[in-house]
Amino acid sequence: NAGVTQTPKFQVLKTGQSMTLQCAQDMNHNSMYWYRQDPGMGLRLIYYSASEGTTDKGEVPNGYNVSRLNKREFSLRLESAAPSQTSVYFCASSLQGVGNQPQHFGDGTRLSIL
Amino acid sequence: AQSVTQPDIHITVSEGASLELRCNYSYGATPYLFWYVQSPGQGLQLLLKYFSGDTLVQGIKGFEAEFKRSQSSFNLRKPSVHWSDAAEYFCAVGARAGNNRKLIWGLGTSLAVNP
Repeated sequence: NAGVTQTPKFQVLKTGQSMTLQCAQDMNHNSMYWYRQDPGMGLRLIYYSASEGTTDKGEVPNGYNVSRLNKREFSLRLESAAPSQTSVYFCASSLQGVGNQPQHFGDGTRLSIL
Repeated sequence: AQSVTQPDIHITVSEGASLELRCNYSYGATPYLFWYVQSPGQGLQLLLKYFSGDTLVQGIKGFEAEFKRSQSSFNLRKPSVHWSDAAEYFCAVGARAGNNRKLIWGLGTSLAVNP
């Protein structure tokens, strides 16, 4: 039972390069989320998708785009990577996008931008 | 504004000692409450949650948490800590009503366990 799968696990980019982080869940969840985690700053929501076909900005959306490809997959794209985007990125999903639904997390993508 | 505060950034305990991690929230009404654990190099795993009813809730790995409305707190406890409990712990709250579909997260408490 895979749960939430993120690829890749590690990536090093040069400033200005682009890349897409992939996320897939097999729990038939409706809502999906992208967070970044930086030391001392906890988890910050980048974008979320309450249901298939919808996406909304979170706290720190600048420099990122997302695509909810289907119910299972939610990708995060960095169009022109900057050193400030060096972080650990987590994808999560929940059955519904409401406050009583626990979120299930992937193991993260560790991204370094030089 | 809605917020979650975890007052302790780092805590060190000895193996076998008891543990209490603090979580305070600021919210218009009683929210849904969660504790998550993050082991090194891993994603977050749900430890326990409180929705309503008994204010003492049991979770996985021997953890429990107590909701105290008067103190706006949801502290996490464990009677006897094991070395494998060394991890980062996050408290989160969710809205009971309205269109807020997001969880609000504390900044986390890092737990170290001495042998």
